[in-house]
Order: sequence, then C-alpha cells, then structure tokens
Amino acid sequence: GDSVTQMEGPVTLSEEAFLTINCTYTATGYPSLFWYVQYPGEGLQLLLKATKADDKGSNKGFEATYRKETTSFHLEKGSVQVSDSAVYFCAPQGTGRRALTFGSGTRLQVQP
Amino acid sequence: EAQVTQNPRYLITVTGKKLTVTCSQNMNHEYMSWYRQDPGLGLRQIYYSMNVEVTDKGDVPEGYKVSRKEKRNFPLILESPSPNQTSLYFCASSKGGIQPQHFGDGTRLSIL
Repeated sequence: GDSVTQMEGPVTLSEEAFLTINCTYTATGYPSLFWYVQYPGEGLQLLLKATKADDKGSNKGFEATYRKETTSFHLEKGSVQVSDSAVYFCAPQGTGRRALTFGSGTRLQVQP
Repeated sequence: EAQVTQNPRYLITVTGKKLTVTCSQNMNHEYMSWYRQDPGLGLRQIYYSMNVEVTDKGDVPEGYKVSRKEKRNFPLILESPSPNQTSLYFCASSKGGIQPQHFGDGTRLSIL
C-alpha cells in the first residue's frame, strides 16, 4: 500500500533560519502530492501541491518539488517565522486511491 | 465562508454509550471523509463517501458507522465506543477525485 516517511520532529529553528522537512513516499500509479499544515488546535490546511513530475508547488514562502525519480517531495522555506510553528504533513494520493496517505507529521518550533 | 463544521469539539464519555459526531460542509462538495489522528500514526481514513447514499470503508473502519443522506452532512457514529477509539477525529470534504481536501477543526473524543 501507499506509505510516507517524514523526518522525525520536533524541528527547532531560530527565526529567519532555513527550513527543510524531508518526505519520501511510495504510492500507486502516478500520485498527486500535497503538504498540509496543522496549527495548534486547528484542522489541517492545504499548504501546497504538485500533480506531475518536476512541478514545484509554492505558497506562503514554502516550496516543494515533485521528484519522481527519487519519490521525494521535500518542503523548504528560506526564512521561517515564529508564526510558522505548526505540524507539517506530507500526503501523496495515489492513482485510484480515495484517500490521502499521511505521514506521521513533523512538528516545527520556531524560536524568536 | 467556506467551511467544514464538526460537533462536538470535545467529548468525554464511557464505554458502550452510543455517540454521534456530526459533520457539515457548505461548499456543495461531493466527496466527504472521516479520519482519526493518533500520535506517531498521522491521519488514517475511517470511511469516505463519493456522493449521497454512497459510502465505503477506509483503512480503519472497525467500530464505526457513517451515513450520507444529504450532500452536506456526513455523521460518524460509534454504536458501542471503546477506549481504543479515544482519538482526535477530522472530517474533510472535497470536490471529488484527486482534489485538495478541506478539513474541520477536529473532535477530541475520550472514551473511558
């Protein structure tokens, strides 16, 4: 079945530091790839997506590139802010699948 | 405002006492889904519905029921709750197919 491997957290960074959260996946067919973010006490929100190889999804300064050859979709941001503190989930959706497959999530803590 | 609304947000109850968690969306989405979130496991799909009167099992359906009598509502029913169903539950909806999902704010259930 589909699966996702995300780096363990928490990831603790200082404000304005560079962020990378690694994500590798296995999925059926040609999956679409998503990153979701969960702020404290809230549901998940779509952060960005990519639907085909070499696509770059971007939003709010975050970016991730669909790397089909390495089955990866790493999340990056050049300069994090305290307000980026949240849990981030990588989630592929394989062809024909009716659900996203979520990783265990990576908690990011950004200190002032 | 486009939203997915879950009720209640918090519930503490006892083993065997039937409960229902309601979910309603105002975006005219065909697809709705229930997930549970447990530490270290990410989110796992319980049930989903492609449209009115069409429901199907997700990855962890045991102990749960759902119904889809109207397009906007998708209640989750625990007929005889047990402590292993203590979890954080999310309802989600989307236009269908491989589309980004909109999540509710979650319902935290504690079964004693």
